[in-house]
Formats: sequence, C-alpha cells, structure tokens
Amino acid sequence: NAGVTQTPKFRILKIGQSMTLQCTQDMNHNYMYWYRQDPGMGLKLIYYSVGAGITDKGEVPNGYNVSRSTTEDFPLRLELAAPSQTSVYFCASSYGGGAYEQYFGPGTRLTVT
Amino acid sequence: AQKVTQAQTEISVVEKEDVTLDCVYETRDTTYYLFWYKQPPSGELVFLIRRNSFDEQNEISGRYSWNFQKSTSSFNFTITASQVVDSAVYFCALRGAGSYQLTFGKGTKLSVIP
Repeated sequence: NAGVTQTPKFRILKIGQSMTLQCTQDMNHNYMYWYRQDPGMGLKLIYYSVGAGITDKGEVPNGYNVSRSTTEDFPLRLELAAPSQTSVYFCASSYGGGAYEQYFGPGTRLTVT
Repeated sequence: AQKVTQAQTEISVVEKEDVTLDCVYETRDTTYYLFWYKQPPSGELVFLIRRNSFDEQNEISGRYSWNFQKSTSSFNFTITASQVVDSAVYFCALRGAGSYQLTFGKGTKLSVIP
C-alpha cells in the first residue's frame, strides 16, 4: 500500500514552459487535493476533486489546471510557468470531506527560473 | 472566512524539556474539525490528530497531548519530554463541516537540541 505518490520529486522549469505534476493514490479515496507550500507559509489549496470527473477551484487556482479521469489519478498542469509558481506542491487524498483526515504525498519541489 | 494562527514561528528546547505549541482559530461554522500535522525535515506531512468541535475532551497519546478549548478558540499541542526526533514543523489546520478546504496555519518550527 503506497498511499499517495507524486512524480517528479524535483523539477526546474524555464519561464513559459509547461509541465504536469502527477499524483496517484491507492487508498480508493474519493477526495483529492493539490496544495502549494511557500517558504514560511502554510499550505494553500489550489484545486480539489470530490470524485472522478468533478473538480473545483481552491484558494489559489490561477495558472493551474487539473483533471480527474479516474479515482486514482489527479494530475496538476502548469501552463506558462512563472517564477511565482516556484514552490513545493503536495497532493493529498481523503475518504471524504469534513472530519476525514487528508493523507499527503511526499511533495514535488518546483523551481521556475 | 476561516483563519488559523500559530503565533510561534520557531521554538528551540533542550531535549527532555516539555514544549507547548499554540494554535488559535477563527470560524463561523458551528461544526468544524481541527487537525495537527507534523512535517519533519524530510518534507512529508504526517497526520497527528483530529478533534471535532463538539468534543472538548483533551487527548493524550504517549508523549503528545492536545488541549482543545472552545471558549478561547484554541487547540494547543504539548510534547512532554521532547526528543530530537520531534524536531519538525508542526501545522495546525481547520475545516468547517461543509467545506472541502483545509485552512492551515503558517506552522511552528520546533528544534529539539540534544
């Protein structure tokens, strides 16, 4: 049982490039989330999904897109990378909302130069 | 709007000392959930505890204990007899009953010195 896995672990992008951060969970969780963590700050929600085919914006969605074609996978797409997107990105999943705790992946450290 | 404040940015203690990490929250929800997560130097986030707004019982798990007080909107975390392995950033987080969003505080970096 791997939990939540993310690839890649590290990536350097040039300004204007695009990339997809991969996230997979094997816990059969319906809910999945993408967060970003900037230095000295807590995590901020980018997008979330409550099931396959359903996604919605979080607190900081600009510059990102997501899709959820299966229960297991929730990729995050960065279009036209900007230095402001330099951050650590965490994917998480949970059985439900409300009281259910979220389980986090190991993170992807992205630098845009 | 929800808000979580962790006023202590960094704390250093000597091994075996007790330490309390403060968490104050704001919410208009009558039902909500509070969480603590640990982020060790390796970077992953580890779930520690969840507390429901309607359950004000304190909880103890080994060297860890949590004090939830609705009257002061606080959910403090105490580590007894701290160890070097406790060195990490600790995040307090809040979610309303009908919300999908987990609102995090900025975290408290705890350093336990041998």
